Amino acid sequence: DSGVTQTPKHLITATGQRVTLRCSPRSGDLSVYWYQQSLDQGLQFLIQYYNGEERAKGNILERFSAQQFPDLHSELNLSSLELGDSALYFCASSVSELGTSGRHSYNEQFFGPGTRLTVL
Amino acid sequence: GESVGLHLPTLSVQEGDNSIINCAYSNSASDYFIWYKQESGKGPQFIIDIRSNMDKRQGQRVTVLLNKTVKHLSLQIAATQPGDSAVYFCAENILHSGGYQKVTFGTGTKLQVIP
Repeated sequence: DSGVTQTPKHLITATGQRVTLRCSPRSGDLSVYWYQQSLDQGLQFLIQYYNGEERAKGNILERFSAQQFPDLHSELNLSSLELGDSALYFCASSVSELGTSGRHSYNEQFFGPGTRLTVL
Repeated sequence: GESVGLHLPTLSVQEGDNSIINCAYSNSASDYFIWYKQESGKGPQFIIDIRSNMDKRQGQRVTVLLNKTVKHLSLQIAATQPGDSAVYFCAENILHSGGYQKVTFGTGTKLQVIP
């Protein structure tokens, strides 16, 4: 158990709908990361927040948005869903920001179990 | 029906041997790199990271080598064990002070450990 929780575990919805995925980071971790993993696209980084502020952006579609709340939990909102959005969505957390590892420390990311989204 | 997915290169290694997984990255401006492991049916796991001001970093049974000249990253696993069987991803990141960072993943390499 990584200490990162994600809800829901499974989500089945229809095209055109909007869903919200939730992530609670490990206690003490200030950074939250979102990733998408699909069969045809592989693993993709979507977005990262650090202490409530957006800090890094990857291949995140404009139909997707995220935020990190004062209690540090994060939500990923996916709207106008398409069949191709069906994927596993992972959240990860770490103490520091991306890339802040030093010679004797890692910025280790801890991953949640994922939310499997199926768009029908 | 059968799903069509990414075709991953596969590395087969005898248990006890050392494994070397390679990754070519695309952007010469990338200055931070991460290796992840993903076992079948599980989420990714962080293995090790390295900044571009280093060319080698060691962890527990793993070593990452970075060659910026040829934009190549490798992950060496010593004394490979059955539990090392997984897909390994490298990721490159461009760090910008005060601005957005960009993370790009490789397609992954499947490591099969032969007992």
